[in-house]
Amino acid sequence: NAGVTQTPKFQVLKTGQSMTLQCAQDMNHNSMYWYRQDPGMGLRLIYYSASEGTTDKGEVPNGYNVSRLNKREFSLRLESAAPSQTSVYFCASRETQRAFTDTQYFGPGTRLTVL
Amino acid sequence: AQTVTQSQPEMSVQEAETVTLSCTYDTSESNYYLFWYKQPPSRQMILVIRQEAYKQQNATENRFSVNFQKAAKSFSLKISDSQLGDTAMYFCAFMKYFGNEKLTFGTGTRLTIIP
Repeated sequence: NAGVTQTPKFQVLKTGQSMTLQCAQDMNHNSMYWYRQDPGMGLRLIYYSASEGTTDKGEVPNGYNVSRLNKREFSLRLESAAPSQTSVYFCASRETQRAFTDTQYFGPGTRLTVL
Repeated sequence: AQTVTQSQPEMSVQEAETVTLSCTYDTSESNYYLFWYKQPPSRQMILVIRQEAYKQQNATENRFSVNFQKAAKSFSLKISDSQLGDTAMYFCAFMKYFGNEKLTFGTGTRLTIIP
């Protein structure tokens, strides 16, 4: 099992460009999450998806859109990138169908720089 | 809303010594989970240890143990016999017990193990 995979690992954009960050998990988890990590801060939730076909905003959703394409895949789109979106982006997944499941498993992250 | 505070931005300790990382949190919830995640230079977020708030017994995982003080809302991580591979950022995180909940992270402690 690969766990949670993210592509690309690194990306440089110019202000105003768009791009999509891809995330996939092979653990048959229901819930998936997108976080961003900025220097000196912990991870902050951008969007999450409780199940296929549903998405909800987190703490910092402005400037982003998401798509839960199927149970495995959850993508994050920047329509018009801004320098403030320079960050490391993490995808995570979690099993929520069974009771008392709590652990989120993280992908390796995508380092995005917006010039 | 929950908050997680890590008051030690950086720590260093000699190899083989014991080190304790502090974490306090604020919540009105009575049921929740607490986690410590490790982030080495590779950026991967790795779960170190977890604690369910309803359990009085402190969690242990090999050289890692926690001191969970629910009334004081404190959740410290003790690393015994520290190793060079323990060098990393350590994040304390909180999650409510029920539902599709996000992780709330502290700002992290950068731990350096000195040979």
